[in-house]
Amino acid sequence: QSVLTQPPSVSGAPGQRVTISCTGGSSNIGAGYDVHWYQQLPGTAPQLLIYVNNNRPSGVPDRFSGSKSGTSASLAISGLQAEDEADYYCQSYDSSLSGVVFGGGTKLTVL
Amino acid sequence: QITLKESGPMLVKPTQTLTLTCTFSGFSLSTTGVGVGWIRQPPGKALEWLALIRWDDDKRYSPSLKSRLTITKGTSKNQVVLTMTSMDPVDTATYYCAHLIAASPNFDYWGQGSLVTVSS
Repeated sequence: QSVLTQPPSVSGAPGQRVTISCTGGSSNIGAGYDVHWYQQLPGTAPQLLIYVNNNRPSGVPDRFSGSKSGTSASLAISGLQAEDEADYYCQSYDSSLSGVVFGGGTKLTVL
Repeated sequence: QITLKESGPMLVKPTQTLTLTCTFSGFSLSTTGVGVGWIRQPPGKALEWLALIRWDDDKRYSPSLKSRLTITKGTSKNQVVLTMTSMDPVDTATYYCAHLIAASPNFDYWGQGSLVTVSS
């Protein structure tokens, strides 16, 4: 059971917009700790996709955006492309655990 | 350019101790604000954070594995070593090391991962 809760799967057609939620609690997201998102393409290592809630590393398309409110965060992907099919993980810090926590991951399928 | 690479045994027997080395380049572990973390991923499952070490030698461990883990800076300035005792088949996973931005802990560069199988 992950500290951060994500839907196991989401799907969308090419060109559509999808969102992936990440729900935490009062000792992590709700305590003000930042949320980061990773994309893991099949058979590869995770890559940082969004850092500090809504910032994109160099090279990440602006189709990807992040937001945070209260005890939750969301990743939005607009203009879906086949190459976006991957697993997505949220990550934050938890003060009760004094460490890093990940979500359970969401598999995005592009129909 | 930051790169990291994990090395260690591909196969360990139950009850043995696993030692993994992360060899990195493009940054110094003595630079304020950086660190190295270890994350693992069992086949078909989610990412699980294991441990991290910061530039100031502060070390943090996953509470559920803390009794079995030790993270240290290696004898070489560009290495970090993770040891995990009492290995069990459920510890079979790909183990990743990653560059840590300590201020808002996140991992901006990852190694390719090292698959470790625990089996007799």
